[in-house]
Amino acid sequence: ETGVTQTPRHLVMGMTNKKSLKCEQHLGHNAMYWYKQSAKKPLELMFVYNFKEQTENNSVPSRFSPECPNSSHLFLHLHTLQPEDSALYLCASSHKSREQFFGPGTRLTVL
Amino acid sequence: KNQVEQSPQSLIILEGKNCTLQCNYTVSPFSNLRWYKQDTGRGPVSLTIMTFSENTKSNGRYTATLDADTKQSSLHITASQLSDSASYICVVSALGQAGTALIFGKGTTLSVSS
Repeated sequence: ETGVTQTPRHLVMGMTNKKSLKCEQHLGHNAMYWYKQSAKKPLELMFVYNFKEQTENNSVPSRFSPECPNSSHLFLHLHTLQPEDSALYLCASSHKSREQFFGPGTRLTVL
Repeated sequence: KNQVEQSPQSLIILEGKNCTLQCNYTVSPFSNLRWYKQDTGRGPVSLTIMTFSENTKSNGRYTATLDADTKQSSLHITASQLSDSASYICVVSALGQAGTALIFGKGTTLSVSS
């Protein structure tokens, strides 16, 4: 699990705040992913980056803004979130389309 | 529509007992099926991966089966331990023109009690 790290592990923010989630992978992978995991729901793929280029955006609201400065780092910038955005946000990485390795997640609570 | 259904939604068993988790899928074209274990507050970790031609695969006390004809998979846990308490997620890969898509089940929450 230390191959993919995420910070912070827990985040509480108000609806008017701006915050960022960070993900770093030490596995030499070229693809990185953001997922949202809500209670009683399957993981929802949000964004996919291949070689730093965004290749997938699953109709995610613009209040979520991803950034991938290089193949090892991935950010998710948050602003004017809603309470229903409270969830566990998971980052994953893979070599091409092979097995995805997940980070520990950031537990986000929006007040 | 590609879907993955898991049952039961939750399960409570005594330590040392066996259990079986089910996964039914309607995914096409099928590429592979993985079972993940997700401990509370952690990210999912892959237990097994099975392709179309594989019927069974073991990883310690975990044994996964796949019936590609009926599109069903099961995860059998033998001699359960307290550390097996977790959510078990079935994930099916579909290989399409746009690349590989992962379809996630909602997971089965397993609680092992002493």
